[in-house]
Formats: sequence, structure tokens, C-alpha cells
Amino acid sequence: GAVVSQHPSRVICKSGTSVKIECRSLDFQATTMFWYRQFPKQSLMLMATSNEGSKATYEQGVEKDKFLINHASLTLSTLTVTSAHPEDSSFYICSAMDPAGEQYFGPGTRLTVT
Amino acid sequence: AQKITQTQPGMFVQEKEAVTLDCTYDTSDQSYGLFWYKQPSSGEMIFLIYQGSYDEQNATEGRYSLNFQKARKSANLVISASQLGDSAMYFCAMREYAGGTSYGKLTFGQGTILTVHP
Repeated sequence: GAVVSQHPSRVICKSGTSVKIECRSLDFQATTMFWYRQFPKQSLMLMATSNEGSKATYEQGVEKDKFLINHASLTLSTLTVTSAHPEDSSFYICSAMDPAGEQYFGPGTRLTVT
Repeated sequence: AQKITQTQPGMFVQEKEAVTLDCTYDTSDQSYGLFWYKQPSSGEMIFLIYQGSYDEQNATEGRYSLNFQKARKSANLVISASQLGDSAMYFCAMREYAGGTSYGKLTFGQGTILTVHP
């Protein structure tokens, strides 16, 4: 099956710094990628939908200036958490959609802000 | 309003027995898809099974089957012959199709933590 990678898998950063998370589709071109956030034992909440070459569409309540999303190519989308604070600590999961509409999830990135 | 509802925060089952995880959904669309995912403690999302709204037969994939009751808007997951490795969080999700060649986003339920006892 199709493979989606995320890097890094775990990151610890200090409060006030920025963190970039990469999501790559390894064997297909993804015109659309999605970014989710998940707190422990809770559901996946969609943060934004990212289309290649255009601005991301953010869900209500998600600060676009805090969570910067860039989808510069058909195989790469990045999420940058700017000026991270402890409340941003969470599990971030991306998924990539292939041209047939199949959606594949990355393994997730666990962010801890100290 | 919650589009996907999973009312069982936790479920316990004995190894080798069957278990049903409940899922109800709410949509006014005629065309939609229902998915079940397994999320072990590692965090990866593992696709289990899919049911399209126009599919007349219940979907099956190995030990997984989806009990699709369209009129009741329910899409329960049945796991037969439970194994210890089935212990994980399970999510029901729905995609409403935007029509044409565009695809809607996935909306997830709250999840059910399944624990399989030896």
C-alpha cells in the first residue's frame, strides 16, 4: 500500500520556539494533504486541509498564524508550530490523498513543549 | 451537531470471542463513505474496513465486518475471534462526498478503547 512518512516522530522543544513537521507521500502524488491533532485518548481533530500550490484551508478555531502549513510540492506538506507553548503539546498526524481519493495516514509526530 | 457518535468509551472482550463496536452517524447526503480505523498505542492509524452508502452488502475484511444499517444510520464494527493484539483504540469515520471528482474530509468519532483479556 501507499506510504506516508512524517518527520520527526518525536520532538521536544522549549516554550517560545518554532517546530516544523514534515509529511511526505513516498510513492504517490498527493494533491491534498490533511493535518490532524490528537490529545491523549481523544479523537482526531482536523486542523487544516492543504492543497498543493495554494493556501491551506483551516478549520474553525485553528489559528492560521500559529500553525503554518505549506504544501510546496505534490509529495511534501509541512506544518510549523510557531512560538510553541505547553498547551500545543499533542500528537500531530498528517494524511495524504492520492488521485483516486484514497487517504493514507502518516505515523504521527509527538510534540512536547517544555 | 456530532456527525459521528461512538457511545462506548471502553469495551472489554475475552480472547477468541466476538465484539461489536457501535457507531452512528448523521448526514443528509446520499453519497458518503464509512470507515473504521484501529489506533494502537504507537499512534499509527490502521485502516480496517470501508462501507459505501450505496453498497448493498455489508463489508467484510477477514475478522472484521461492518454491520451497516442505513435506515438507522449505524455502522457497527464486528470483530470476530478477538486476539490480544486487537487491544487498541478504534475510530469510526465518515466522508461526505462533495460530488463530482472532489472528495470530502474525514470526520472521526470519539473512539472506543478495546481491551482484549486472555
